[in-house]
Amino acid sequence: RKEVEQDPGPFNVPEGATVAFNCTYSNSASQSFFWYRQDCRKEPKLLMSVYSSGNEDGRFTAQLNRASQYISLLIRDSKLSDSATYLCAVTGGNKLTFGGGTRVLVKP
Amino acid sequence: DTGVSQDPRHKITKRGQNVTFRCDPISEHNRLYWYRQTLGQGPEFLTYFQNEAQLEKSRLLSDRFSAERPKGSFSTLEIQRTEQGDSAMYLCASSFGTPETEKLFFGSGTQLSVL
Repeated sequence: RKEVEQDPGPFNVPEGATVAFNCTYSNSASQSFFWYRQDCRKEPKLLMSVYSSGNEDGRFTAQLNRASQYISLLIRDSKLSDSATYLCAVTGGNKLTFGGGTRVLVKP
Repeated sequence: DTGVSQDPRHKITKRGQNVTFRCDPISEHNRLYWYRQTLGQGPEFLTYFQNEAQLEKSRLLSDRFSAERPKGSFSTLEIQRTEQGDSAMYLCASSFGTPETEKLFFGSGTQLSVL
């Protein structure tokens, strides 16, 4: 089993709609959680950290469920520019472990 | 430009040749990571430095791979006797702080193609 798993998608989303997807992790001792965004042929960039109480940044909401060992990302009012691959990342020891990414395609 | 820089951006080499990549992290960052990414996959951890000390290496990293970070500044990743399976994007990232709170800043990567 992979340490961090994501549905690869793609999630085809009409512009203006809401999309949500999860990321599961296997190490119950993981301390910190992040969502990164990666555009095609570009490097990953931090989108947001995920806190135990959940957090919101504009149209983006991230939540953590420690009991079930998953984190989620919800995007409201999707824009065409939200089309990207969303990578979840989990700390374990000294390193950040990434999932395989969820591809989101927002269409007009 | 004060971001993470990597050189070269692209490298094409023949199987069996040695290649070396360079990464210059953000100057105040004490942690430096190397990741490898293939198409459709997430970044895979290769190795990690805190200052000049290499603290962890992935089991993915065979003895053909070696990384250094002299003086805790820039880092190099060398692959000896390249194989076609080494073809990938090699990403460098830097951060400052503890693993629990740090946020990684990635360079644009070096795309390696082994023919």
